[in-house]
Amino acid sequence: AQSVTQLDSHVSVSEGTPVLLRCNYSSSYSPSLFWYVQHPNKGLQLLLKYTSAATLVKGINGFEAEFKKSETSFHLTKPSAHMSDAAEYFCVVSDLSSSNTGKLIFGQGTTLQVKP
Amino acid sequence: DADVTQTPRNRITKTGKRIMLECSQTKGHDRMYWYRQDPGLGLQLIYYSFDVKDINKGEISDGYSVSRQAQAKFSLSLESAIPNQTALYFCATSDRASNQPQHFGDGTRLSIL
Repeated sequence: AQSVTQLDSHVSVSEGTPVLLRCNYSSSYSPSLFWYVQHPNKGLQLLLKYTSAATLVKGINGFEAEFKKSETSFHLTKPSAHMSDAAEYFCVVSDLSSSNTGKLIFGQGTTLQVKP
Repeated sequence: DADVTQTPRNRITKTGKRIMLECSQTKGHDRMYWYRQDPGLGLQLIYYSFDVKDINKGEISDGYSVSRQAQAKFSLSLESAIPNQTALYFCATSDRASNQPQHFGDGTRLSIL
């Protein structure tokens, strides 16, 4: 069975410093992996996705993530945090066993706080 | 106008009441989904629909039902609401080429007393 673990429930950084949000996954098949962001009182927005192409995936707003099969990780990074990045971030996995059902497995979320 | 619109945005009701949450989309997408979000649990899939005549149960369908009235409309019902259904509910859509929800509504915050 597939699963996702976000290793930090809360991350706090200063504006202008790097961001690292950690995610490990478990999947029996070649996984598709995603990062979503959720701002307060808003729906989710897709940041980026990995679907077996390049292992370094670039997303919107300067975010990127690297798929590391040996470590079963898909960590999200950004070189320099902005105040507007403060939100909740979800790591999500979908693998071949569920790709035809639209079913996704969500991590529990990481709240990113950005301090001035 | 939002691509995915959920109504109502907030609702407070009592145990045992029937509740309907509505979702409409202007994306022209075939696939629609209902998710529930609880603190610390991420999002859980309740029901999904690949087209008007195709509806499927998700991970946590018990206590819920859905209706796909048209390609653009997908409603979620709680026939007899109970307090542990208090949560934030999201509708989402995707096209046939995508295996994940592409667009989410802003959510419905439902409280059951």
